Amino acid sequence: AQSVAQPEDQVNVAEGNPLTVKCTYSVSGNPYLFWYVQYPNRGLQFLLKYITGDNLVKGSYGFEAEFNKSQTSFHLKKPSALVSDSALYFCAVRATDSWGKFQFGAGTQVVVTP
Amino acid sequence: DVKVTQSSRYLVKRTGEKVFLECVQDMDHENMFWYRQDPGLGLRLIYFSYDVKMKEKGDIPEGYSVSREKKERFSLILESASTNQTSMYLCASTSPAEGRAEAFFGQGTRLTVV
Repeated sequence: AQSVAQPEDQVNVAEGNPLTVKCTYSVSGNPYLFWYVQYPNRGLQFLLKYITGDNLVKGSYGFEAEFNKSQTSFHLKKPSALVSDSALYFCAVRATDSWGKFQFGAGTQVVVTP
Repeated sequence: DVKVTQSSRYLVKRTGEKVFLECVQDMDHENMFWYRQDPGLGLRLIYFSYDVKMKEKGDIPEGYSVSREKKERFSLILESASTNQTSMYLCASTSPAEGRAEAFFGQGTRLTVV
């Protein structure tokens, strides 16, 4: 069975400061890992993914994530947060031997203050 | 651009009504999913489909059924709506092909059962 943990319900950061949103996962076999963002009353918007290759993945809007196999983590990062980054962020894992089923974390609310 | 379209953004239904949530995707994706999203619980998989007329139960199928008569359309049915089915419903699609493994989401349907 696969699972995803986002240990923080909410992350508060001042605009211009680095932003980190944590994610750990458990899956059989090699994982596909994803980050999505959700703005109020909207669907999920894809940010980035790790499939294979370089452990540092760059995505949309200046976000990046670091895959760490030994720690089974996939933390989302942004060097300088913007107020417009305030949203709900979801980490997801998809086992490569599944029918494309995704397991999502509970989500982390990011609040960026001016 | 990949597009996943859900037929309604907001719905209000009465207890006991039969409710249909429709989802259409335009990318010829084989796999389609229905999730419900509740605060603190993340996204939970209700049903998914990997081909026309094929369906599999997800983690919380009770009280729901689905229909996939055409590849592009995946419908979620609440046979007899109850207040505990008040939630945000998200449809997603993906191709199982390697290297293009992210899921694309619709804008969501916020269902209120009164």
